[in-house]
Amino acid sequence: NAGVTQTPKFQVLKTGQSMTLQCAQDMNHEYMSWYRQDPGMGLRLIHYSVGAGITDQGEVPNGYNVSRSTTEDFPLRLLSAAPSQTSVYFCASKTSADTQYFGPGTRLTVL
Amino acid sequence: GESVGLHLPTLSVQEGDNSIINCAYSNSASDYFIWYKQESGKGPQFIIDIRSNMDKRQGQRVTVLLNKTVKHLSLQIAATQPGDSAVYFCAENTSGTYKYIFGTGTRLKVLA
Repeated sequence: NAGVTQTPKFQVLKTGQSMTLQCAQDMNHEYMSWYRQDPGMGLRLIHYSVGAGITDQGEVPNGYNVSRSTTEDFPLRLLSAAPSQTSVYFCASKTSADTQYFGPGTRLTVL
Repeated sequence: GESVGLHLPTLSVQEGDNSIINCAYSNSASDYFIWYKQESGKGPQFIIDIRSNMDKRQGQRVTVLLNKTVKHLSLQIAATQPGDSAVYFCAENTSGTYKYIFGTGTRLKVLA
């Protein structure tokens, strides 16, 4: 098992550009989520999904969209990038019972 | 990686000594607690967890203690090694919900 994979590892965008951060897991986990990690703050939940076709907002959803067409994939879309979205983004997955397992992260800089 | 860890409290320990990292949790309804280790440039890695019906749980070289009275969680690492150098943070969850509250973390530095 590769676990949770994320691409790209690094990305630089200009303000106003859009892009999609990819996340995939091969553990057949029902639950997937996206977090952002900023200096001096704990991980904050952006969006999550409890299964294919089901998504919901987390703590900081503004400026981000998600979809879950398959169990394996959970992409995060930035609609119009802003400097405030400069952060490290982590995808995580879990079954209904287990703890979350995180991917390696995507470091995004918005100029 | 390093930019995420700026301004974190730091615990420096000698190699071979025991380390104790503390965490105060916020929600009285939380009944599931997790410790994660995050190395520079990597994603959080699960270390150990504990449910609220326990006050102590041991793993390989790690022990988690839970004090529900004062809403306090601690992670003890025995015989700390250079590979233990990382940021450690706790997370809390209420069973049946998808909301996890994450702490900001403590940086552990192991001195040779």
